[in-house]
Amino acid sequence: EAGVVQSPRYKIIEKKQPVAFWCNPISGHNTLYWYRQNLGQGPELLIRYENEEAVDDSQLPKDRFSAERLKGVDSTLKIQPAELGDSAVYLCASSLAGGSYEQYFGPGTRLTVT
Amino acid sequence: QQQVKQSPQSLIVQKGGISIINCAYENTAFDYFPWYQQFPGKGPALLIAIRPDVSEKKEGRFTISFNKSAKQFSLHIMDSQPGDSATYFCAILTGGGNKLTFGTGTQLKVEL
Repeated sequence: EAGVVQSPRYKIIEKKQPVAFWCNPISGHNTLYWYRQNLGQGPELLIRYENEEAVDDSQLPKDRFSAERLKGVDSTLKIQPAELGDSAVYLCASSLAGGSYEQYFGPGTRLTVT
Repeated sequence: QQQVKQSPQSLIVQKGGISIINCAYENTAFDYFPWYQQFPGKGPALLIAIRPDVSEKKEGRFTISFNKSAKQFSLHIMDSQPGDSATYFCAILTGGGNKLTFGTGTQLKVEL
């Protein structure tokens, strides 16, 4: 069974530039999560999707971050414009249903903003 | 926002020894207390989880102990191996079972 796929794995951009991350969850998983993991910290939830619907985006900085999951499968997370403090690993995870402690994480995208 | 306090931040154990990582949480009832393991360059992976109505759960060399009255839970790794060297995160399932909140992580190194 293929795991959660994320791309790119690494991204280096200058501040004020836009950046996008892509995620393809495990087949059949209706719930998709985007997390941000700062160095030396645990993952922090940015947004959770149930199929196409964003059911929890309370931690997403909406002035510069946006996300979409148009067909209820893969998802894109965008930052525009990026700031130095956005440097982190962006993790995508999926689960069969919401409310599950069993989440499957992708390898993440390491973003460096210079 | 609900927090999980995890300790120690880092841990060095000799091969064959016992690794112990502790977590404490604040009020409110939760559905599950999972532990995740993360290797460098990889995403976290579920290791083991316990329900709050159970005091202990064992899977192979990994055991979770849960103390509801003290609001603490811990991970014990018996017969620690170099391959166990990784970062371990405790977590709690909050928000009616809809949000996973992670601790700050413990970097474990098992030396030969």
